[in-house]
Amino acid sequence: NAGVTQTPKFQVLKTGQSMTLQCAQDMNHNSMYWYRQDPGMGLRLIYYSASEGTTDKGEVPNGYNVSRLNKREFSLRLESAAPSQTSVYFCASSEGRQGSSPLHFGNGTRLTVT
Amino acid sequence: AQSVTQLGSHVSVSEGALVLLRCNYSSSVPPYLFWYVQYPNQGLQLLLKYTSAATLVKGINGFEAEFKKSETSFHLTKPSAHMSDAAEYFCAVSDAGGTSYGKLTFGQGTILTVHP
Repeated sequence: NAGVTQTPKFQVLKTGQSMTLQCAQDMNHNSMYWYRQDPGMGLRLIYYSASEGTTDKGEVPNGYNVSRLNKREFSLRLESAAPSQTSVYFCASSEGRQGSSPLHFGNGTRLTVT
Repeated sequence: AQSVTQLGSHVSVSEGALVLLRCNYSSSVPPYLFWYVQYPNQGLQLLLKYTSAATLVKGINGFEAEFKKSETSFHLTKPSAHMSDAAEYFCAVSDAGGTSYGKLTFGQGTILTVHP
């Protein structure tokens, strides 16, 4: 069971570079999410997609864009990376809405912006 | 607005001792409450979930949590700690009962260390 798969696992960028974080789930879940995790701050929602074809901003969307490519895939793009975006990024999915359905997480992408 | 406070960013116990991780929340509507666990270099995994059924919720790996509305608390406990319980634990609250989608807010996390 693959669950939620994120690529890459690690990435180092220079300020101003762009990149796309990939996420795919094989559980036929409707909802998908991107979170960032920073020490002492828990997880903060960047963007989410309640269903295929829809995306919405979360708590900290500035500097990011997303694409729900199909039901399985949800990508996160940094157009011009900044040091403040150094973080661990987690993709998650749920069968229903996030507030009531448990989240299934990938293993994360560790991003460093220098 | 809802919020979650986890008391103690680090908790240390001896193997075999009681584990108690504290979580207090605020919510303007009946909340859904979750505990997640994160092992090193992994994503979060669901431990247990409260959704207004029984106030005592049993989860995986021998953990349980009790919802106390009067104290706005949802503390996580385990009678006897194992070395394998060492991880970071996150409490989360949702206003799923009151909004069309359900905003989930995470606490800051508590790192549990288990000593032999």
